[in-house]
Amino acid sequence: AQTVTQSQPEMSVQEAETVTLSCTYDTSESDYYLFWYKQPPSRQMILVIRQEAYKQQNATENRFSVNFQKAAKSFSLKISDSQLGDAAMYFCAYRSAYETSGSRLTFGEGTQLTVNP
Amino acid sequence: ETGVTQTPRHLVMGMTNKKSLKCEQHLGHNAMYWYKQSAKKPLELMFVYNFKEQTENNSVPSRFSPECPNSSHLFLHLHTLQPEDSALYLCASSQDGGRWQPQHFGDGTRLSIL
Repeated sequence: AQTVTQSQPEMSVQEAETVTLSCTYDTSESDYYLFWYKQPPSRQMILVIRQEAYKQQNATENRFSVNFQKAAKSFSLKISDSQLGDAAMYFCAYRSAYETSGSRLTFGEGTQLTVNP
Repeated sequence: ETGVTQTPRHLVMGMTNKKSLKCEQHLGHNAMYWYKQSAKKPLELMFVYNFKEQTENNSVPSRFSPECPNSSHLFLHLHTLQPEDSALYLCASSQDGGRWQPQHFGDGTRLSIL
């Protein structure tokens, strides 16, 4: 079974600064997907960024980028130029590429990000 | 707006009550999911439906009974719940069959058991 670990329960960053959230995972599979979801106080889980395991290039979405280290099974999220609206709980998630009937997501425990003005 | 709507947003019920949570997706997806989110714990997958057929029941107690009448609607029927069932219940949907289809989530139902 796969596991996802987020070792930072809480992080804080100053507005306009950069912060990196850590995520490690454990799997014996070679093909999978990794996701970062954001959950603000409104509770809606919003997809921030995603990465395919067989792509070596790190995914980027505007101010959000990942550092995907497949051999180390590490998938960190970097938020540049942090904004007050980035404050939320961030979840790292894993999905196997071998499932054909419904996509099971395995989530980490989450990291609560605070952005200080 | 994610295209996944959950009702009610909040629900308070006694342990002997029977209630239902509703989820509706407007994205044309073929798979739907129920997750439980408790404080300080990772999201727990409860049920998966693919083309209206249940494909996974993640060892969920029988006091939770899912129903998927069509690919757009998903219900979670609740009866004789316990205090430890108090949590945020999230519904999600996705279009499966392709390689690159993330799940889209609703806002959740906050359930409190008295």
